[in-house]
Amino acid sequence: SQTIHQWPATLVQPVGSPLSLECTVEGTSNPNLYWYRQAAGRGLQLLFYSVGIGQISSEVPQNLSASRPQDRQFILSSKKLLLSDSGFYLCAWRRQGVNTEAFFGQGTRLTVV
Amino acid sequence: AQSVTQLGSHVSVSEGALVLLRCNYSSSVPPYLFWYVQYPNQGLQLLLKYTSAATLVKGINGFEAEFKKSETSFHLTKPSAHMSDAAEYFCAVTSRGNDYKLSFGAGTTVTVRA
Repeated sequence: SQTIHQWPATLVQPVGSPLSLECTVEGTSNPNLYWYRQAAGRGLQLLFYSVGIGQISSEVPQNLSASRPQDRQFILSSKKLLLSDSGFYLCAWRRQGVNTEAFFGQGTRLTVV
Repeated sequence: AQSVTQLGSHVSVSEGALVLLRCNYSSSVPPYLFWYVQYPNQGLQLLLKYTSAATLVKGINGFEAEFKKSETSFHLTKPSAHMSDAAEYFCAVTSRGNDYKLSFGAGTTVTVRA
């Protein structure tokens, strides 16, 4: 069976510090990978998605970047965090092809102070 | 771009009452549609999805949704609410033409009164 791991679960970081959130998927190959951010009352905002190693599409210009160094690894990064980067970050994967649902990690609660 | 609109950010129902959560999509071509549930501080779990095989879709936990092309809607219902249904619900859409993006609505928080 497939599983998705996302860590850490919670993170408190000072303004201006770097960020690295990691997500890995097991039990499948060549998945589509996604990073979403969830802010209170604003639903899920798609940040980045990837259809293959090294292929990253950015949806929203911002202080964050993403990388996919391996087929089942997706990393969300920032060089200098802003207060506005606080939120609940969710990683997800989908099988290639149409009409496939997304499977989500447990999320990371990031608080920038 | 594909998008969905969820009407009502907060719904309160009595235990045993009907749950109705509204979702409308914007597309000239019927998209693929999904409903997810999220419990506090957790990821999202799929409730059901519309595959175009049938307009009435049954999901987990007694939920179902009906695809209505004429109304561009995909509303989620449950005949009898249970306390465990208290959660946040999201409608999501992906395009037949571009299946990479999965876009979500703003979510509806459901509270269940005893």
